Amino acid sequence: QKEVEQDPGPLSVPEGAIVSLNCTYSNSAFQYFMWYRQYSRKGPELLMYTYSSGNKEDGRFTAQVDKSSKYISLFIRDSQPSDSATYLCAIDSGGSNYKLTFGKGTLLTVNP
Amino acid sequence: GAGVSQSPSNKVTEKGKDVELRCDPISGHTALYWYRQSLGQGLEFLIYFQGNSAPDKSGLPSDRFSAERTGGSVSTLTIQRTQQEDSAVYLCASALGGGQPQHFGDGTRLSIL
Repeated sequence: QKEVEQDPGPLSVPEGAIVSLNCTYSNSAFQYFMWYRQYSRKGPELLMYTYSSGNKEDGRFTAQVDKSSKYISLFIRDSQPSDSATYLCAIDSGGSNYKLTFGKGTLLTVNP
Repeated sequence: GAGVSQSPSNKVTEKGKDVELRCDPISGHTALYWYRQSLGQGLEFLIYFQGNSAPDKSGLPSDRFSAERTGGSVSTLTIQRTQQEDSAVYLCASALGGGQPQHFGDGTRLSIL
């Protein structure tokens, strides 16, 4: 079983839709949870960072962590064509090197 | 302020040649990471530097890969005797410290002919 699983999509939605992106992980030692957005031929851009179970909201974005189920989600409200990108979940085990373990990414297209 | 800067943005070279990739982290960031992003593999950790401490090289795929960080700032990733499977995007990230959010550059796209 891979450490972090993410549905690769692709996911196509109409403008204004609510988007739900999800990852599951296997290692209960994982402590910090992130979502990155990556546009084509660009580096990943940090969207959300959280370390506790529950919800964290930032504008149209909400990150949700359920440590008991080892499940993390990113919700995008009122999606825009500019949200079209690949979304990557990333998890930090909190080990001595703080390396991030990434999901494979979900390609999202928001159609005008 | 300025983000993480990587150069070159693209590199094409022949199999067997050596390549050097450069990373300028965000000013004041003591933690620096290299990752590799390839089709089908996603993003994989390569190496971690914290300040002037000895690096964590646990993610380097072979002894052809090495990295250094001078003065706790700029880092260079070197790949010797390149192979076609080394073709990938090499991403650098920096953070205020270990465990802090990591910010990425746009990467170097390496193609081995």
